[in-house]
Amino acid sequence: SQQGEEDPQALSIQEGENATMNCSYKTSINNLQWYRQNSGRGLVHLILIRSNEREKHSGRLRVTLDTSKKSSSLLITASRAADTASYFCATDTFYNTDKLIFGTGTRLQVFP
Amino acid sequence: EAGVAQSPRYKIIEKRQSVAFWCNPISGHATLYWYQQILGQGPKLLIQFQNNGVVDDSQLPKDRFSAERLKGVDSTLKIQPAKLEDSAVYLCASSYSGKQETQYFGPGTRLLVL
Repeated sequence: SQQGEEDPQALSIQEGENATMNCSYKTSINNLQWYRQNSGRGLVHLILIRSNEREKHSGRLRVTLDTSKKSSSLLITASRAADTASYFCATDTFYNTDKLIFGTGTRLQVFP
Repeated sequence: EAGVAQSPRYKIIEKRQSVAFWCNPISGHATLYWYQQILGQGPKLLIQFQNNGVVDDSQLPKDRFSAERLKGVDSTLKIQPAKLEDSAVYLCASSYSGKQETQYFGPGTRLLVL
């Protein structure tokens, strides 16, 4: 079963604009991760945020986590055409920290 | 450092045939995962190994799917017999120990069942 639901399902922007994707989940977690998947390729880990953290940065990426609302957001600033991909949030479960449950993904298209 | 290797990259079979996928994780990674990703969805965990032992196979359709990791290194996932709904990308991932760590994914095997 899917734990996370990303919103929006698809997003189209111009290069240089910011892209924001949201993820909601259902059960308590220890950490939440974001992954990127380019067309026809495997997933690449972007960032991990733990349940006791509220915000984390990595380069042009900013992730927030609100455990009271069971939601997270991924912000990509100054987007580039190379950021075109599908983005997935993945959560562990409180009873099994080894197991990741992926959301449905947001398809991001960045136009040059 | 070499990444996770998978083969074949593509496979087309007819329903009721059997198929096998191979995965070689990153050297030294104790934990290996097999995921199924149906078009338009996120990956779904099928089975997780810690060394050569199974940690979680709760979502593996055991009547037709099997997986092994005999020497705690590479792994094979088999489907026998295949159904139309098995058409998907099969992703292999590995992590150093599995404990709340980053998973590193292979390129996947795209299976089409006709």
